[in-house]
Amino acid sequence: RKEVEQDPGPFNVPEGATVAFNCTYSNSASQSFFWYRQDCRKEPKLLMSVYSSGNEDGRFTAQLNRASQYISLLIRDSKLSDSATYLCVVKWEYGNKLVFGAGTILRVKS
Amino acid sequence: EPEVTQTPSHQVTQMGQEVILRCVPISNHLYFYWYRQILGQKVEFLVSFYNNEISEKSEIFDDQFSVERPDGSNFTLKIRSTKLEDSAMYFCASSEAGRVGSPLHFGNGTRLTVT
Repeated sequence: RKEVEQDPGPFNVPEGATVAFNCTYSNSASQSFFWYRQDCRKEPKLLMSVYSSGNEDGRFTAQLNRASQYISLLIRDSKLSDSATYLCVVKWEYGNKLVFGAGTILRVKS
Repeated sequence: EPEVTQTPSHQVTQMGQEVILRCVPISNHLYFYWYRQILGQKVEFLVSFYNNEISEKSEIFDDQFSVERPDGSNFTLKIRSTKLEDSAMYFCASSEAGRVGSPLHFGNGTRLTVT
């Protein structure tokens, strides 16, 4: 089983749509969770951390379900500029490294 | 906003040559990392560095790789004898602390092409 698993997509949505991405992780000792965004051939950029209680940042909402080892990202009112690859990222309890999922491609079209 | 900076942005080298990739982490950060991403694949951890020593490394980080913090600002990745399969984007990252919940901030990467 992959350490961090994501649906690769692509998700093709119209502007203004709501889209949700899911991610599962295999290591129950995982402690920190993040969503990063990566544009083509660019570096990953932190979109948001994911907290146990769920958290929202503008149009973006992240949820964590530790029992199911599942993380989600919801994007409301999609913009053309949201087109990117969204990376689910997990940090284990021990050590400092981040473990990346392969990413979900989002394409927002006008 | 402070940034992680990497040089060069693109490095072309011949198989068997040594390359050094350079990074300047964010100034008050204490933990430094190298990751790589082969074209079309996921971002992979190589090594983490704290207090002037390697704190963790992956199986990719074999004897041909080394890291160094030669002064108070630079953090380098050396590949001693490059192979074709070392062609990838190499990202440096830093974090303020190694604690749980501390995100990593990535540089804009060095594209290494081994011919």
